[in-house]
Amino acid sequence: AQSVSQHNHHVILSEAASLELGCNYSYGGTVNLFWYVQYPGQHLQLLLKYFSGDPLVKGIKGFEAEFIKSKFSFNLRKPSVQWSDTAEYFCAVNPKAAGNKLTFGGGTRVLVKP
Amino acid sequence: EAGVAQSPRYKIIEKRQSVAFWCNPISGHATLYWYQQILGQGPKLLIQFQNNGVVDDSQLPKDRFSAERLKGVDSTLKIQPAKLEDSAVYLCASSLRGQRISDNEQFFGPGTRLTVL
Repeated sequence: AQSVSQHNHHVILSEAASLELGCNYSYGGTVNLFWYVQYPGQHLQLLLKYFSGDPLVKGIKGFEAEFIKSKFSFNLRKPSVQWSDTAEYFCAVNPKAAGNKLTFGGGTRVLVKP
Repeated sequence: EAGVAQSPRYKIIEKRQSVAFWCNPISGHATLYWYQQILGQGPKLLIQFQNNGVVDDSQLPKDRFSAERLKGVDSTLKIQPAKLEDSAVYLCASSLRGQRISDNEQFFGPGTRLTVL
C-alpha cells in the first residue's frame, strides 16, 4: 500500500523566514500530488496541485511546490512566511491507477511567530 | 457556491452508544468521501461513493461503521457501537467527477468532532 511521509511534525519560525516542508511518497506509478492547508478553526483547503507538466507548481498565497520524480518527493516552499501562514499542512497523493483515492501524510503544524 | 455541509459539528457520546453524522455535498458533485482524522494524523479515507454506489470501502470497519447515500446526494455515516478509539474528526468531501483531471479535486466540509468517553 502506498504511504506518504511528512518529515516534520512541528515547525516554528519567525515572520519573513523561508519555509520548506518535506513530503515523500511510496508509489512507483504515476501520481497526482496535492498540498492541503488547514488554518485554525477552518476546514481543509487545497493549496496547490500537480497533475502533469512543469514540476514546479505555484499555488495560492505565494506557496509553490516542486515534484522530483526520482526522489518521490513533492516539497512545499514559501520564500517569506507571514503570521497568517500559521496552520497545519498536509501532503496528499493520488495514484492515477487508484481512481480518485487520496492518501494523506500525517501533517506538519507550522507556527509563525510575529 | 455553497460548500460541503456537515452536521453536527461536535458530538460527545459514551462508548457502546450509537452516533450518526450527516453530509450534504456541493450541488452537482457525484463523488462523496468520508474520512476519519485522528488527532495528530492525516485524514484516512473510510468510504467513497459515486452517486449512490460504493466505489471503495476497503478501510471502513464494517463491523461497527456503516454509510449510505441512498439518493446520490446526502450521505450519513453511522457508528454502532462506538469505541474509545473512534474519537476523531469525521470529514466529508465531494468532487465533481467529470472528464477533466481537475474535476476530481476534492472539497472538504468542516468536519464533525466526535469524542467517545
